[in-house]
Amino acid sequence: AQSVTQLGSHVSVSEGALVLLRCNYSSSVPPYLFWYVQYPNQGLQLLLKYTTGATLVKGINGFEAEFKKSETSFHLTKPSAHMSDAAEYFCAVSRGMNTGFQKLVFGTGTRLLVSP
Amino acid sequence: NAGVMQNPRHLVRRRGQEARLRCSPVKGHSHVYWYRQLPEEGLKFMVYLQKENIIDESGMPKERFSAEFPKEGPSILRIQQVVRGDSAAYFCASSSDRETRNNSPLHFGNGTRLTVT
Repeated sequence: AQSVTQLGSHVSVSEGALVLLRCNYSSSVPPYLFWYVQYPNQGLQLLLKYTTGATLVKGINGFEAEFKKSETSFHLTKPSAHMSDAAEYFCAVSRGMNTGFQKLVFGTGTRLLVSP
Repeated sequence: NAGVMQNPRHLVRRRGQEARLRCSPVKGHSHVYWYRQLPEEGLKFMVYLQKENIIDESGMPKERFSAEFPKEGPSILRIQQVVRGDSAAYFCASSSDRETRNNSPLHFGNGTRLTVT
């Protein structure tokens, strides 16, 4: 079975500060990993994904994440927070290739608060 | 180029009533997924359908919940005799045949927020 743990239900940063949102996963097969962002009363928007290949993945809005197999982690970072980054962020894992469909397992989410 | 469309955006039902949630996938997509987001929790998989067929319903409660994706028309998630615990945001996602084979990310709708009073 797969699972995702997001440490910290809330993270507060100042505008311009580094953003670090933590995600650890558990998977018995090579995983595909995703970060999604959810703005209030909206659906999920894909930030970035890791499938295979380069372990440092760049996404939209200046976000990036690094897949570390030895640590079973996929932490999300952004060098400088912007007020518009305030949202809920979800890490998700799927079983990867040849699964037949995308059955995502989500973490419980981290709410990012950005103060001026 | 419309994405996944869900309606209604907000739905209020009294306990015991039926709730019907609609999802129109991206044009040309034949794979539909329903996820539920309970308050303060992440999304949880409910059911995966591929045109007229239920492929995986392992996340669907055994009673009162049903889903369909007819040959013509939107996918429907139906909840009979709703209870307060059904209050949640229900998200639909879709993908094409090619995207499914490639394990490409799903396209999510904006969700239907169901409130049971």
